[in-house]
Amino acid sequence: AQSVTQLGSHVSVSEGALVLLRCNYSSSVPPYLFWYVQYPNQGLQLLLKYTSAATLVKGINGFEAEFKKSETSFHLTKPSAHMSDAAEYFCAVSDTYSSASKIIFGSGTRLSIRP
Amino acid sequence: SQTIHQWPATLVQPVGSPLSLECTVEGTSNPNLYWYRQAAGRGLQLLFYSVGIGQISSEVPQNLSASRPQDRQFILSSKKLLLSDSGFYLCAWSVPYWGGIEGSNTEAFFGQGTRLTVV
Repeated sequence: AQSVTQLGSHVSVSEGALVLLRCNYSSSVPPYLFWYVQYPNQGLQLLLKYTSAATLVKGINGFEAEFKKSETSFHLTKPSAHMSDAAEYFCAVSDTYSSASKIIFGSGTRLSIRP
Repeated sequence: SQTIHQWPATLVQPVGSPLSLECTVEGTSNPNLYWYRQAAGRGLQLLFYSVGIGQISSEVPQNLSASRPQDRQFILSSKKLLLSDSGFYLCAWSVPYWGGIEGSNTEAFFGQGTRLTVV
């Protein structure tokens, strides 16, 4: 069975500082991995995805993530935080080889930005 | 282009009343469909997913059920709501799996969600 673990339910950084949100996955087959962002009372928006191509993936709003198979990690980073980045972020994994496909999400990390 | 519609946006229901939330997808065929629930302070919990008409997989034993009467329609129901059913319900779809072809089984696209409060 697949799963993702997001370390830290709440992360707070200063505006302009580095953002690092951690995600570790577990999968018996090569996974697809995703990061989503959710603003209050809205659905989820895809930030970026890893689908077995380049291990460093660039997404929207200046975010990027690196797939590290040896560490089973897919951490999300942004060099300089902006106030508008305050939101909840979810890491997710899906099975690339299953006809009964499903997408499993982590518990989420709330990102706060200090002025 | 593909779009997903979910309604209603908010709902307040008394304990013991029935529930029906509907989700429809446009612009694609045979999508995988999902219902997730997000409770306050918790992550996204997968409730049901479907890979075809009448094919429903339940992830969590609960007071809810799902049905897929048409290819692009997914319905979440309950006969009698409990207080614990309160939460934010999200419908999503993804490109179906096509035997490992790149682009299949990738990201989920979400509706705007339904805020359900059971009182």
